[in-house]
Amino acid sequence: DTAVSQTPKYLVTQMGNDKSIKCEQNLGHDTMYWYKQDSKKFLKIMFSYNNKELIINETVPNRFSPKSPDKAHLNLHINSLELGDSAVYFCASSQGTGKPYEQYFGPGTRLTVT
Amino acid sequence: KQEVTQIPAALSVPEGENLVLNCSFTDSAIYNLQWFRQDPGKGLTSLLLIQSSQREQTSGRLNASLDKSSGRSTLYIAASQPGDSATYLCAVSHVNTGFQKLVFGTGTRLLVSP
Repeated sequence: DTAVSQTPKYLVTQMGNDKSIKCEQNLGHDTMYWYKQDSKKFLKIMFSYNNKELIINETVPNRFSPKSPDKAHLNLHINSLELGDSAVYFCASSQGTGKPYEQYFGPGTRLTVT
Repeated sequence: KQEVTQIPAALSVPEGENLVLNCSFTDSAIYNLQWFRQDPGKGLTSLLLIQSSQREQTSGRLNASLDKSSGRSTLYIAASQPGDSATYLCAVSHVNTGFQKLVFGTGTRLLVSP
């Protein structure tokens, strides 16, 4: 059973389109994250939710909107896609916020904007 | 602003060799440091997590040390195997930004040849 899963694994789309990436974790964790890994493999946090509440919101264009319908799911919607949005997007989860818990990552979604 | 650097950027060793990967961070006010491995096209796998009060953690052939005052951590891999080939990433969380916000290093790409 996959602990943190993401769909789709690959996403190819044209500039200007709107797309969503979905993430689910079956670890019973309270906290979930979205990270972006750019073409130079640099990984940076974008958002974090704890128990469906947004707790981290980095300097990310407002074309990116996360949504957490429940503790086990965190989706990322991107409007008006740009070439610079091409990257690998990783979802992660951790037990909670009370301690520095380990973060568990999903397999990633490779987004290519043409 | 916390910056995390990993040296070397790439490392190639023959099987069986012991090796050390380095991670340095500019601000020593951290909560913890976490080492991950990333296989090509895959997500991150957590290897070790060291709390700021700890000096080292061990898991099998891996040993991670932390010297918070000098802003350094090392990941020691004993008796390397071809299956250890991957990119190794370290990440820290800072006391001002909370447990959840990890700042990642630039990574070390390791190749262990048979």
